[in-house]
Amino acid sequence: EAGVVQSPRYKIIEKKQPVAFWCNPISGHNTLYWYLQNLGQGPELLIRYENEEAVDDSQLPKDRFSAERLKGVDSTLKIQPAELGDSAVYLCASSLSETSGYNEQFFGPGTRLTVL
Amino acid sequence: EDQVTQSPEALRLQEGESSSLNCSYTVSGLRGLFWYRQDPGKGPEFLFTLYSAGEEKEKERLKATLTKKESFLHITAPKPEDSATYLCAVPPGEGGSEKLVFGKGTKLTVNP
Repeated sequence: EAGVVQSPRYKIIEKKQPVAFWCNPISGHNTLYWYLQNLGQGPELLIRYENEEAVDDSQLPKDRFSAERLKGVDSTLKIQPAELGDSAVYLCASSLSETSGYNEQFFGPGTRLTVL
Repeated sequence: EDQVTQSPEALRLQEGESSSLNCSYTVSGLRGLFWYRQDPGKGPEFLFTLYSAGEEKEKERLKATLTKKESFLHITAPKPEDSATYLCAVPPGEGGSEKLVFGKGTKLTVNP
């Protein structure tokens, strides 16, 4: 069974440029998460989707970050414009629906973003 | 505010030297505690879920236990391939913020 797929794996951009990350979750997983992980820290949730609906985006900096999950499968996270402080690893995870309680989340390999 | 604290931040062991990692939490109405392993350059890999005090789960050289205030990840006779960062996480408690709270992790190094 294929795991969570993310692309690109690495991205280097200059500040003020836009950038987008793509995630394909495990087949059948209705819940999708985007996390940010800084060096030496645990992942921090940016946004959580149940199917197409963003049910928790309280930690997403909406002035520059946006996300979408069209058709309730793949998802894209965008930053525009990027700032130096956005350099981090962006992780995507998926799980079975959380409507019946928390289920274990399966993570992709992440995208390492470097903003120069 | 929901908090998860892991200790120690880093741990070096010799191969075969057993030890334990700690995860303490302050969450009202615990709805589960998750342990993950993360290798450099990879996403976290799910290990265990514990739901109630007294529960234990094992996988190879790892055993996770849970009390009302903390969880331990016991590593018995570790091997170099057990070297990784171990993360614990809890869902938000009752009335808490709607996000999964992760600790900062314990970086384990097992020397041959």
